[in-house]
Amino acid sequence: EAGVAQSPRYKIIEKRQSVAFWCNPISGHATLYWYQQILGQGPKLLIQFQNNGVVDDSQLPKDRFSAERLKGVDSTLKIQPAKLEDSAVYLCASSLNRGDEKLFFGSGTQLSVL
Amino acid sequence: DAKTTQPPSMDCAEGRAANLPCNHSTISGNEYVYWYRQIHSQGPQYIIHGLKNNETNEMASLIITEDRKSSTLILPHATLRDTAVYYCIVRQTGANSKLTFGKGITLSVRP
Repeated sequence: EAGVAQSPRYKIIEKRQSVAFWCNPISGHATLYWYQQILGQGPKLLIQFQNNGVVDDSQLPKDRFSAERLKGVDSTLKIQPAKLEDSAVYLCASSLNRGDEKLFFGSGTQLSVL
Repeated sequence: DAKTTQPPSMDCAEGRAANLPCNHSTISGNEYVYWYRQIHSQGPQYIIHGLKNNETNEMASLIITEDRKSSTLILPHATLRDTAVYYCIVRQTGANSKLTFGKGITLSVRP
């Protein structure tokens, strides 16, 4: 089966610019996650969707980050305006349902903010 | 979720067993032990999970001590492709459970 697709693979922007990342989960997966992984650390959950609804965005910096999953399938994560500390890999993952044992991750988008 | 403690790194020879330790002394009765790994430039990949019994699948074996305060992930015949960061995670069951990653252990398999 096709895995989790993410684009772009790499993105370089200057601080204060905006950027968007796209994720297409595995077909039929109701739950979608966005993680942020700073170099040398483990991934940190930013936001979790169940179909098109947000179930957890407690660690999302809402003053600059936003995410949507309007039709309950693919999702977009946006940063506006970007800061230097937003440089990281942004990983998308999906699972069949909430609490499922296995999360399937994409390869991520590596963001560099200069 | 309870925290886990892993050494920062270890290495092993190709073809030998790799035994990756993890301490989770504050684990609760309804919390499972999960292992994921992350190969360079890829997203994390599920390996195995267990509650209290030992588990084995095509990728690895998971040995959980009787008091459940520690566990060991065993890769029986490590290959160069097993070089990765391995994350030991304790996670509750249920719809509200989260997968919270620590720093993991970097396994280097040498030829």
